[in-house]
Amino acid sequence: NFLLIQPHSVSESPGKTVTISCTRSSGNIASSYVQWFQQRPGSSPTTVISEDTRRPSGVPDRFSGSIDISSNSASLTISGLRPEDEADYYCQSYDRTNQRLFGGGTKLTVL
Amino acid sequence: EVQLVESGGMVVRPGGSLRLSCVASGFSFPDHDMHWVRQAPGKGLEWISLISWEGANTYYADSVKGRFTVSRDNSKNSLYLQINGLTADDSGLYYCASGTHLDFWGHGTPVTVSS
Repeated sequence: NFLLIQPHSVSESPGKTVTISCTRSSGNIASSYVQWFQQRPGSSPTTVISEDTRRPSGVPDRFSGSIDISSNSASLTISGLRPEDEADYYCQSYDRTNQRLFGGGTKLTVL
Repeated sequence: EVQLVESGGMVVRPGGSLRLSCVASGFSFPDHDMHWVRQAPGKGLEWISLISWEGANTYYADSVKGRFTVSRDNSKNSLYLQINGLTADDSGLYYCASGTHLDFWGHGTPVTVSS
């Protein structure tokens, strides 16, 4: 099996751009889709990016996802940061046995 | 509107058992894979189990294999999780989520294992 490694926390100012990384410890990042979930305090997770780069209906285009094979990682980029973007963000993928895995989560602080 | 409503969480003694339920509405439940995910207090998300749309295939995290059993009743738009041999490490908020990529989530039902 593999791990999805995320930074514990990131912070940035309103209006700026932040990128959260998700590094796969073994195996090819492109071999299975990566999803990104936002979890605000006291709320359930919601999907902000599905299938590496797809933004579900209702998610602002300030949110984008990408895959970088050279670093074996996925990234979530949020531009034009707003106070309401402050939340925990989790990446998620799956292995060959169909088990799902979550990254440890990244706490985003909008200063 | 997609709705997933979990229930069945409660305070249970170590070694006890519990059956969680999740009732779905607002989408075609029989056509979608379903998951259980848990979150210990102050911790991250932990995937627990997946059941395929027709119920023929089930998958579990290594941490719960042999103690947890997922099932579904498509005629009732319902998903279930049977949990046996509860330990303190099983405490947390249990979510159900729909779709291959966990597209929609419920609000969760709390499980507390304590003597």
